[in-house]
Amino acid sequence: NAGVTQTPKFRVLKTGQSMTLLCAQDMNHEYMYWYRQDPGMGLRLIHYSVGEGTTAKGEVPDGYNVSRLKKQNFLLGLESAAPSQTSVYFCASSYTYGTANTEAFFGQGTRLTVV
Amino acid sequence: KQEVTQIPAALSVPEGENLVLNCSFTDSAIYNLQWFRQDPGKGLTSLLLIQSSQREQTSGRLNASLDKSSGRSTLYIAASQPGDSATYLCALLSGSARQLTFGSGTQLTVLP
Repeated sequence: NAGVTQTPKFRVLKTGQSMTLLCAQDMNHEYMYWYRQDPGMGLRLIHYSVGEGTTAKGEVPDGYNVSRLKKQNFLLGLESAAPSQTSVYFCASSYTYGTANTEAFFGQGTRLTVV
Repeated sequence: KQEVTQIPAALSVPEGENLVLNCSFTDSAIYNLQWFRQDPGKGLTSLLLIQSSQREQTSGRLNASLDKSSGRSTLYIAASQPGDSATYLCALLSGSARQLTFGSGTQLTVLP
């Protein structure tokens, strides 16, 4: 039972380069999220998805794009990386039943450094 | 907009002590509240989930309470151990888009 898997775990980019972070979940969850974690600022929501084919902006979406072509995958793209995007990125998933949500499950994170 | 505050930001206690971590929030219209543990350089591990209709949850030495009317949750850790040293985060699920909003965490150190 893999849960939520993030690829890659580490990456160093040069300013201006692009890359895609992959999040895969095997729990058939509807909701998926991308967060970034910076020292002293907690986790902040970048983008999220409430189902296959849908995406929406979170608190800090600028400089990022996302896609959810398949229910199990949620991709986060950086079109032109900037040093301010140096951070640890976490993906999470959850599902709803009635009016309740299950707990959120998190991946192990991707540590990204932009130089 | 939901805002979540965790106090204290850091806490150091001797082994064996019982302790309480606090989480306060501004919007009581929540679906659930979740407490996580994060070890340095690692991901988030879910500890306890409290649905909106519940008042508390227990798991081993951990007990979490939820008081929506006052906008507060507490995480009680009994008989603390050095292995409990980590950052503890609370997160609330709220809003029409069911967004998780996190506090900035409490860094706990349990001294042997």
